[in-house]
Amino acid sequence: KNEVEQSPQNLTAQEGEFITINCSYSVGISALHWLQQHPGGGIVSLFMLSSGKKKHGRLIATINIQEKHSSLHITASHPRDSAVYICAVGRNTDKLIFGTGTRLQVFP
Amino acid sequence: EPEVTQTPSHQVTQMGQEVILRCVPISNHLYFYWYRQILGQKVEFLVSFYNNEISEKSEIFDDQFSVERPDGSNFTLKIRSTKLEDSAMYFCASIGEYEQYFGPGTRLTVT
Repeated sequence: KNEVEQSPQNLTAQEGEFITINCSYSVGISALHWLQQHPGGGIVSLFMLSSGKKKHGRLIATINIQEKHSSLHITASHPRDSAVYICAVGRNTDKLIFGTGTRLQVFP
Repeated sequence: EPEVTQTPSHQVTQMGQEVILRCVPISNHLYFYWYRQILGQKVEFLVSFYNNEISEKSEIFDDQFSVERPDGSNFTLKIRSTKLEDSAMYFCASIGEYEQYFGPGTRLTVT
């Protein structure tokens, strides 16, 4: 069983829709990361969460430590949001353990 | 904004050849990592490095792999004798106070 599970694996949306991507993990962590991977392969860090909620522009990330669950929300989605979104977890300076990613396509 | 850089962006090599992938982490970071992503698969941990030595390595990181920080700025991953299955995207990362910073990756193609 994977230590980090993401759902859905693939997601298509119309421009303007509200999007939710979920992540569940089974290991003890000190932080959860949401990452964005562009078609060219580069990885960009969106959020690092240890509790509660963070917001950056149209992106919102939440984490429930007791439930070992996190969600990434995108409000008013746009075609430029199309990418693979990856959840990864870690403890302090230990390695990150990655989920398999959610491929998002937003159509105009 | 500070960034992690990697060179080359793409390396093509023949099976059995040695390759060195280079990374320049963010200057005041202390913990460095190599990850790889085989096409279509999830990102996997290879090795972490702190205080000029390996702090953890995965099962993938066998005797064919080595890392070093030769001059206090570069952080290199060497594969001694490449195999076809080493073809992947290799990411360097360093950790700061609030998040991990990833390099843009080196796409290694072994033919």
